[in-house]
Amino acid sequence: NAGVTQTPKFRVLKTGQSMTLLCAQDMNHEYMYWYRQDPGMGLRLIHYSVGEGTTAKGEVPDGYNVSRLKKQNFLLGLESAAPSQTSVYFCASSPLRVEIYEQYFGPGTRLTVT
Amino acid sequence: SQQGEEDPQALSIQEGENATMNCSYKTSINNLQWYRQNSGRGLVHLILIRSNEREKHSGRLRVTLDTSKKSSSLLITASRAADTASYFCATDAGYNQGGKLIFGQGTELSVKP
Repeated sequence: NAGVTQTPKFRVLKTGQSMTLLCAQDMNHEYMYWYRQDPGMGLRLIHYSVGEGTTAKGEVPDGYNVSRLKKQNFLLGLESAAPSQTSVYFCASSPLRVEIYEQYFGPGTRLTVT
Repeated sequence: SQQGEEDPQALSIQEGENATMNCSYKTSINNLQWYRQNSGRGLVHLILIRSNEREKHSGRLRVTLDTSKKSSSLLITASRAADTASYFCATDAGYNQGGKLIFGQGTELSVKP
């Protein structure tokens, strides 16, 4: 199993440009998450999904949109990139359980907005 | 807002020494988890401790949980250079919250050979 993969690994955007980050998981997990990680800030949840066709806002959703058209994929979109969105983005997934379970993380996408 | 606060922010020790990291949180939890992040990589789950547990072991890892003080500690015994990484605690956001976790800011551990 590849686990959680993210595409691309690195990207440089100019202010105002748009892009989509792709997250894919092959573990048949129900839940998927997008985080951003900034120095000294830990991980902050952007959006998450509890199943195919559903999405919800996390802690810092402004400026981002997401879609979960297929169970294995979770897309994060930036419609008009801003320098404040320079960050490392991580996708994670977890199985549906009665109890809250561990999350499996992808390797990250390093995004720079100039 | 960050649920967990970790202490210390950075820790430097010699190989063979023990490393202790602490995590405090604000609201009631169902479980607390610890993750490791090597430089430039994604997070990897280390251990989960439930709210009704006080101590848990996994290899060289020992985690304690004190729900009355809303705090947890992670002890790595006989550290190795390969343990150099950032360590994060994460608490759950509660049932029916989509499995969301709230992460602390992390402790950066450096183990010198």
